[in-house]
Amino acid sequence: DIQMTQSPSTLPASVGDRVTITCRASESVSSWLAWYQQKPGKAPHLLIYKASILESGVPSRFSGSGSGTEFTLTISGLQPDDFATYYCQQYSTYGTFGQGTKVEVK
Amino acid sequence: EVQLLESGGGLVQPGGSLRLSCTASGFIFSNYAMNWVRQAPGMGLEWVSGISGSGDKTYFADSVKGRFTISRDNSKKTLYLQMNSLRAEDTAIYYCAKTKNIVLVASDYWGQGTLVTVSS
Repeated sequence: DIQMTQSPSTLPASVGDRVTITCRASESVSSWLAWYQQKPGKAPHLLIYKASILESGVPSRFSGSGSGTEFTLTISGLQPDDFATYYCQQYSTYGTFGQGTKVEVK
Repeated sequence: EVQLLESGGGLVQPGGSLRLSCTASGFIFSNYAMNWVRQAPGMGLEWVSGISGSGDKTYFADSVKGRFTISRDNSKKTLYLQMNSLRAEDTAIYYCAKTKNIVLVASDYWGQGTLVTVSS
């Protein structure tokens, strides 16, 4: 099975910061990777798919990059609404999620 | 507007069974693969199972293989998850999610979730 590892697990940040989250796959998933945002008590929300394609309606401050085994999610200019937990998911083989990265107030 | 509504969650004893349903509206159901994803209390997301748009291909996480069955009735626009031999570690909120294609890809719409509690 493909394992997904995110880092860091917790990311203290301030409004306006540039934030980067990393996701590593145990084997190549090509570009078959998505990023989701989840807020407490809510369902996840798709941000990016195929590693770098921004989902419709998602603010352009979110961006994704990478291929193969290493991927990043960048938030350029963190907004108050962005404090949440972020998950990567590979869908090259089934749909393994990373363990999540909580972006919290510094 | 795409809507997904899960039902069927509840309290069940270890070893018991439960069937979850997810009723879809707002899109051509048969054109899209569907996933079940769960989240144990205070934990991260875990992909559980997926099914192609036609229903001819099904996929399961190792943690549920042999115990859970996924199916769909495209005429009723409904997705199902039959859960047998339930264990305490199956306790979670179960989300159904629509994917962006007829095969398993990223999930662009999610239901609100239904809570399954396995306890004696």
